[in-house]
Amino acid sequence: GENVEQHPSTLSVQEGDSAVIKCTYSDSASNYFPWYKQELGKGPQLIIDIRSNVGEKKDQRIAVTLNKTAKHFSLHITETQPEDSAVYFCAASLSYSGAGSYQLTFGKGTKLSVIP
Amino acid sequence: EAQVTQNPRYLITVTGKKLTVTCSQNMNHEYMSWYRQDPGLGLRQIYYSMNVEVTDKGDVPEGYKVSRKEKRNFPLILESPSPNQTSLYFCASSFKTGWDYEQYFGPGTRLTVT
Repeated sequence: GENVEQHPSTLSVQEGDSAVIKCTYSDSASNYFPWYKQELGKGPQLIIDIRSNVGEKKDQRIAVTLNKTAKHFSLHITETQPEDSAVYFCAASLSYSGAGSYQLTFGKGTKLSVIP
Repeated sequence: EAQVTQNPRYLITVTGKKLTVTCSQNMNHEYMSWYRQDPGLGLRQIYYSMNVEVTDKGDVPEGYKVSRKEKRNFPLILESPSPNQTSLYFCASSFKTGWDYEQYFGPGTRLTVT
């Protein structure tokens, strides 16, 4: 089955700096890679995702890049703010357009702390 | 408002006493799933359901049961809870059509089995 490794497990950055979280996956057939943000006491929230036919995707201050050859993908947060402090999870899945839904394998999470 | 609700939010029980954690969604999503979250292990899928009366095992199904009699509800049943099932549980529902995807997690249920 799929295995997802996530690094680092903890990350501290100064407010305004950038943060990068990296994940690697084992199954070269995986084609969907979402990222989740989990704030204290809440459930995970899908914040951005990327599919294997795209190399990069941006949404305001967050971006995700995918390197299929190396089987790794990364989350980039620019101009970090204290409210970005949370645990971030990556996941990988194999899914076909229009067929069913996603079976996700998650990384173990990265605790991001943004220091004001 | 799109919402996934879970009850109870907190539960302390004893070994062997059957319990049910309810999950309900108001988005008419076909796909629902249960995860457990443990420190250092991330989120692991317990069971999932593709639609009413269609369920299947995830990565860690041992000791759990589910049912999907209605589209909106997906209860998680622990017939004989054991201390190793002490965990934080999340229900999620999702919708996928073509390449469009949306997913929502519930607020979590913290279960302690003594």
